[in-house]
Amino acid sequence: GENVEQHPSTLSVQEGDSAVIKCTYSDSASNYFPWYKQELGKRPQLIIDIRSNVGEKKDQRIAVTLNKTAKHFSLHITETQPEDSAVYFCAARRGGGADGLTFGKGTHLIIQP
Amino acid sequence: NAGVTQTPKFQVLKTGQSMTLQCAQDMNHNSMYWYRQDPGMGLRLIYYSASEGTTDKGEVPNGYNVSRLNKREFSLRLESAAPSQTSVYFCASSSTGQETQYFGPGTRLLVL
Repeated sequence: GENVEQHPSTLSVQEGDSAVIKCTYSDSASNYFPWYKQELGKRPQLIIDIRSNVGEKKDQRIAVTLNKTAKHFSLHITETQPEDSAVYFCAARRGGGADGLTFGKGTHLIIQP
Repeated sequence: NAGVTQTPKFQVLKTGQSMTLQCAQDMNHNSMYWYRQDPGMGLRLIYYSASEGTTDKGEVPNGYNVSRLNKREFSLRLESAAPSQTSVYFCASSSTGQETQYFGPGTRLLVL
């Protein structure tokens, strides 16, 4: 089955700086890669996703890049703000069906004032 | 629209007791999922239902059963709870052809 590795487990950055979280996946058949943000005690919420026919996607301060050959994808957050502090999860899934997501173990992002 | 709802929010069980976690969605989604979340482990898929009348095992199905009661509802049952099943359980749903999964608020389960 699919295996998703996520790094780092904790990331502390100064407010206004950029943050990068990296994930690798094992199943070459995976073609859908979402990123979720989870605040303490809350449900995971989708912040951005990318499909394997696209190399990069951007939404305001958030961007995701995908390298299919190397089987890795990354989340980039620019101009970080205190409200970006949360746990971020990457995930992967085979497309075309209704299979569930395989998640990474999460990155705790801390924005230092 | 309430989206995905789950009951109860919190439950304490003794080892060996049984209980059913309820999940419902009002978005007319075909697919529904149950995940568990443990500290440092991310979310892991327990069972999923691609459509009404079908269910399939995920990564960690042992000790659980599911029922897709109708298109809206997908329940998760613990027949004989064990301390290892202490976790936060999330239900999710998605629409056919749309890969985004929407999560419910979660159920915190403590098994003593």
